[in-house]
Amino acid sequence: QSALTQPRSVSGSPGQSVTISCNGTPSDIGYNGYVSWFQHHPGKGPKLMIYDVTKRPSGVPDRFSGSKSGNTASLTISGLQADDEADYYCSSCAGSCVFGGGTKLTVL
Amino acid sequence: EVLLVQSGAEVKKAGESLKISCRVSGFNFANYWIAWVRLVPETGLQWMGIIYPGDSKTRYSPSFQGQVTISADKSINTAYLQWTSLKASDTAIYFCARPIRSAETIFRSIDNWGQGTLVSVFS
Repeated sequence: QSALTQPRSVSGSPGQSVTISCNGTPSDIGYNGYVSWFQHHPGKGPKLMIYDVTKRPSGVPDRFSGSKSGNTASLTISGLQADDEADYYCSSCAGSCVFGGGTKLTVL
Repeated sequence: EVLLVQSGAEVKKAGESLKISCRVSGFNFANYWIAWVRLVPETGLQWMGIIYPGDSKTRYSPSFQGQVTISADKSINTAYLQWTSLKASDTAIYFCARPIRSAETIFRSIDNWGQGTLVSVFS
């Protein structure tokens, strides 16, 4: 069982927006601002898409945005594209990092 | 360019030992913590532990304490994850990763990952 709870799957058509939720507790998501989101294509290493709840690393398009309310974090992907199809994982870090179980995004 | 390059896939029998590696380049290996993270499709990612190659200080997640050993050789910029007796339940993809540190041992995120090593254990 994962520390953080994500939906198993979400889907959307090209051009649409999708939001992936990540439910935690006051001890992780609700504890500090160190929430991240990773994109994982099979056969590759995960890619950091969002860190510190809302920040994007250089090179990540602004179609990806993050937010947090209480113990729940969210990743929104707007203007869906085919290569957004991947697994997405949330995480909360402090002395170590805890992760969600992953959400498979299907672009229809 | 920061790179973490992991050793290749392994197929092992339960009870055998195994050591997988993660060779890094593009940054000062001795001055960065390196983490190992397990991916099991049914349960997602799990933090296993970390090592600071500068002094080989290690910290393990309680779930993995005593089950694996994390080590590093800073002379060749390589971190290792090893098992003495594999179980079928160790079947997973293992990633090495570089956490972003905000304080001495407080981490904000992970900014670089290896490509993963698939370990398959049959009984």
